[in-house]
Amino acid sequence: GENVEQHPSTLSVQEGDSAVIKCTYSDSASNYFPWYKQELGKGPQLIIDIRSNVGEKKDQRIAVTLNKTAKHFSLHITETQPEDSAVYFCAASTGGSYIPTFGRGTSLIVHP
Amino acid sequence: GAVVSQHPSWVICKSGTSVKIECRSLDFQATTMFWYRQFPKQSLMLMATSNEGSKATYEQGVEKDKFLINHASLTLSTLTVTSAHPEDSSFYICSARDRTGPVEAFFGQGTRLTVV
Repeated sequence: GENVEQHPSTLSVQEGDSAVIKCTYSDSASNYFPWYKQELGKGPQLIIDIRSNVGEKKDQRIAVTLNKTAKHFSLHITETQPEDSAVYFCAASTGGSYIPTFGRGTSLIVHP
Repeated sequence: GAVVSQHPSWVICKSGTSVKIECRSLDFQATTMFWYRQFPKQSLMLMATSNEGSKATYEQGVEKDKFLINHASLTLSTLTVTSAHPEDSSFYICSARDRTGPVEAFFGQGTRLTVV
């Protein structure tokens, strides 16, 4: 089955800096890659996603890149703010079932 | 946007009792709902996939007789933890996929179960 590795497990940045979270996947058939933000005591919230026919997608301060050849994808957050502090999960899924396999999560801490 | 409501948000129960958690899609119809379990500071572990009108598909290692899932309508799935034990204490999260929309799955806010 699919295996998703996520790094780093913890990321601490100063407000205004950029943050990058990287994930790799094992199944070359995976074609949908969502990113979720989870705040303490809450369920995950979809923040951005990318499909395998696209190399990059941007939504305001958040961008995701995908390298199918290398089987890795990354989340980029620019101009970080304290409210960006949360746990971020990447996931990969395959067309048909679209059942996501999650990474282990990255705890992002943005210091004011 | 798509809203998934989970109830209750937290529950405390005694060992040996059963607890039911509801997952509702409020503004869309969901043919497929997913149930996850999450331990502190860990990732989401898929427990089962629930399809409306049919039996749930459980992941390997998940006891179907202990975690009963019912998906009776296009907007409601329930997870019942039967004969709960302290080791069942966890954060349970559901997600739902819009049957007419894109492939994104939207998550509920989670239920914190504590078995004493």
